[in-house]
Amino acid sequence: DVKVTQSSRYLVKRTGEKVFLECVQDMDHENMFWYRQDPGLGLRLIYFSYDVKMKEKGDIPEGYSVSREKKERFSLILESASTNQTSMYLCASSIIGLAPDFGPGTRLTVT
Amino acid sequence: ELKVEQNPLFLSMQEGKNYTIYCNYSTTSDRLYWYRQDPGKSLESLFVLLSNGAVKQEGRLMASLDTKARLSTLHITAAVHDLSATYFCAVLDDKIIFGKGTRLHILP
Repeated sequence: DVKVTQSSRYLVKRTGEKVFLECVQDMDHENMFWYRQDPGLGLRLIYFSYDVKMKEKGDIPEGYSVSREKKERFSLILESASTNQTSMYLCASSIIGLAPDFGPGTRLTVT
Repeated sequence: ELKVEQNPLFLSMQEGKNYTIYCNYSTTSDRLYWYRQDPGKSLESLFVLLSNGAVKQEGRLMASLDTKARLSTLHITAAVHDLSATYFCAVLDDKIIFGKGTRLHILP
């Protein structure tokens, strides 16, 4: 089975801090995704990547950036955290066309 | 822009009853995924539907896909309490977009 791991389950940061969320998958998947999940809004796609050093904007990329220097690792960066970025962040990976496998999530609180 | 709409968003039902969750989408995709999420947990893949007319079943859950109608259904047969969860559909276009989820509460 694919294992998708995320660096933290819970994270508390202050407004204005630079925040790094790390995601690693161990099955050589080409595709990786970052979503955020908020009550009543479902999952919203922030960024995705189809290959190393490639990235595509999702539906809500503002305030975020990503990095994919190695195939197994996809990082989400909040350049200057704000309180409206308090959320559950979910990383996923997949083979092209198949259902993504999700990591356990990082619950980020920005105070 | 791809839109994925689920209904209902919340469903409370008695054990033993049947019900259907609907997933409508706005693109011509022929790939649709269903997921389950338990409270405090991540998403678990249930079904992958890859073509028009695809039907998948596992236990009391059955999913189908009609690409011409741009509609997928998740049917629950003789519901049991253990099926209480939030169910999401997701559609592959040039990216994977999720519906808002259907929170299913099954009363014992």
